[in-house]
Amino acid sequence: AQSVAQPEDQVNVAEGNPLTVKCTYSVSGNPYLFWYVQYPNRGLQFLLKYITGDNLVKGSYGFEAEFNKSQTSFHLKKPSALVSDSALYFCAVRGPLGGNTPLVFGKGTRLSVIA
Amino acid sequence: KAGVTQTPRYLIKTRGQQVTLSCSPISGHRSVSWYQQTPGQGLQFLFEYFSETQRNKGNFPGRFSGRQFSNSRSEMNVSTLELGDSALYLCASSLRTGYEQYFGPGTRLTVT
Repeated sequence: AQSVAQPEDQVNVAEGNPLTVKCTYSVSGNPYLFWYVQYPNRGLQFLLKYITGDNLVKGSYGFEAEFNKSQTSFHLKKPSALVSDSALYFCAVRGPLGGNTPLVFGKGTRLSVIA
Repeated sequence: KAGVTQTPRYLIKTRGQQVTLSCSPISGHRSVSWYQQTPGQGLQFLFEYFSETQRNKGNFPGRFSGRQFSNSRSEMNVSTLELGDSALYLCASSLRTGYEQYFGPGTRLTVT
């Protein structure tokens, strides 16, 4: 069965500094990887995905993520953090479509950007 | 295009009662998934439907059930509510199974 680990419950970063939110995964076969963001009292919003192709994926709001197969990681990054980026971030993985596996989410990482 | 809608947004029920939550997916989306979100357990997968067929089911007791209609709208039902069922229930839709999912605002269920 697939699984996702987000090793940090909380990440604090100063506004203007680069940010990284870590994610590692375990899945049989090629993974489908996703990042979502949740603002207070709202549902999750899709940020970006990796299916195949270039290991660096660009998404919404200036976020990007790097797929590293050897380290089974899919870290979320942004070159310059904004206070408005403060939210709860979820990494998710599912196995190959042929395996018909559900989407599994990590526990989430709370990002706090300090002005 | 309208997003995923969930009704009701808030619900208060008493232990032992049952509840039905509704989800209308984005137009054209045929896959609907349900999740339970709690502070302690995070996002837990409940069900996934595609074209009225349940494709996957999470590790929840039989009190939790769901279905999808021919217009892709979905409902989930929880019978014999327990205090631990208090949570935010999120519905998500996608074009097909495996594609990125788009989430609704959720239904906040409180069981007293």
